Amino acid sequence: QKEVEQNSGPLSVPEGAIASLNCTYSDRGSQSFFWYRQYSGKSPELIMSIYSNGDKEDGRFTAQLNKASQYVSLLIRDSQPSDSATYLCAADSGGYQKVTFGTGTKLQVIP
Amino acid sequence: NAGVTQTPKFRILKIGQSMTLQCTQDMNHNYMYWYRQDPGMGLKLIYYSVGAGITDKGEVPNGYNVSRSTTEDFPLRLELAAPSQTSVYFCASSPGTAEAFFGQGTRLTVV
Repeated sequence: QKEVEQNSGPLSVPEGAIASLNCTYSDRGSQSFFWYRQYSGKSPELIMSIYSNGDKEDGRFTAQLNKASQYVSLLIRDSQPSDSATYLCAADSGGYQKVTFGTGTKLQVIP
Repeated sequence: NAGVTQTPKFRILKIGQSMTLQCTQDMNHNYMYWYRQDPGMGLKLIYYSVGAGITDKGEVPNGYNVSRSTTEDFPLRLELAAPSQTSVYFCASSPGTAEAFFGQGTRLTVV
């Protein structure tokens, strides 16, 4: 069973702080990794994808990948109340662009 | 730009009834997916399709059926509804880059 694991949270951070979200995966064959944001009652939307070891930055978001440790993280700088949502980590799991999703980490940004 | 459209948004079914969840996309994506999302459980893949006429089972296919007669449409059929099928159902499509675009979801309750 290929798994993607996340701490369910909630993770509470004050406005303006850095939020750090973490994820581990079990399938060493996974090559593509994704972070989706899901607001309560809404559908997931892709915010970051990462394919190679190291960091990838996009605005206030930085994704980090360490394939040796099978670890993916998402950093959100200058956190805003509008960042409050559940963040789903996902990893590809066997062709045809199938992905396995984690259960998500709920982030609360406190004004 | 409609993207992925699901109908209905909400539905209550009685045990043993059947229904079809509709999904259509206007982005000409080959890959389409059906997921279910239970509280705190992340997204589970039910069925997927890599093109018209081609479908395959995902992680949790029991109790469901799909068809893909056109690129645009990917309906999900529930036969003999059971309380365990109470969930939020998301349809998604992908251009083949593993980035998935989600519909707005269907909240189904089986009583």
